[in-house]
Amino acid sequence: QKEVEQNSGPLSVPEGAIASLNCTYSDRGSQSFFWYRQYSGKSPELIMFIYSNGDKEDGRFTAQLNKASQYVSLLIRDSQPSDSATYLCAVSPGSGGSNYKLTFGKGTLLTVNP
Amino acid sequence: KAGVTQTPRYLIKTRGQQVTLSCSPISGHRSVSWYQQTPGQGLQFLFEYFSETQRNKGNFPGRFSGRQFSNSRSEMNVSTLELGDSALYLCASSPRGSEQYFGPGTRLTVT
Repeated sequence: QKEVEQNSGPLSVPEGAIASLNCTYSDRGSQSFFWYRQYSGKSPELIMFIYSNGDKEDGRFTAQLNKASQYVSLLIRDSQPSDSATYLCAVSPGSGGSNYKLTFGKGTLLTVNP
Repeated sequence: KAGVTQTPRYLIKTRGQQVTLSCSPISGHRSVSWYQQTPGQGLQFLFEYFSETQRNKGNFPGRFSGRQFSNSRSEMNVSTLELGDSALYLCASSPRGSEQYFGPGTRLTVT
């Protein structure tokens, strides 16, 4: 069974610090990787996606992918209380093909303390 | 652009009944996926439609079905409802299937 594993947390960081969220996946054929943010009572919001090994930066967010280690991470710089949410890692076999079934981890609860 | 819309937002049904949920994707998006979210199992993939064809399917029983119309709007149907079907049902749209954008969800309660 293809699995995506995340530390459930909660991960607690002070305001202004760097939050580091980690995710491992079992399917070596995975091609597409996504990070979603979900506030309590809301639906998931796509914040980052990455397809190639290395780092991808977007504002305060950096996604890192290491396919050899089957590991993807999300760094949030200058964390704000508004970043407090559950962060979901999702993995898909598809990239340019037609298999876009997303497998999600259970999520990591992040709390940013003022 | 307007986001993904789902109707109804909340639904209460009785065991044995059936239910139909609706999803309108972001304009121009041709792929619609459906997911079930529960506290115990998290987010699980149900199926994906692209240009009116089911392209991918998850591991759910045949009671769960869906379809997509020519305007990319999609519906999912659950027949013979069970208590365990109580969940948040999320629809996600995508231009091609890769980056998926979720709607607000339909909260289904089965009593």
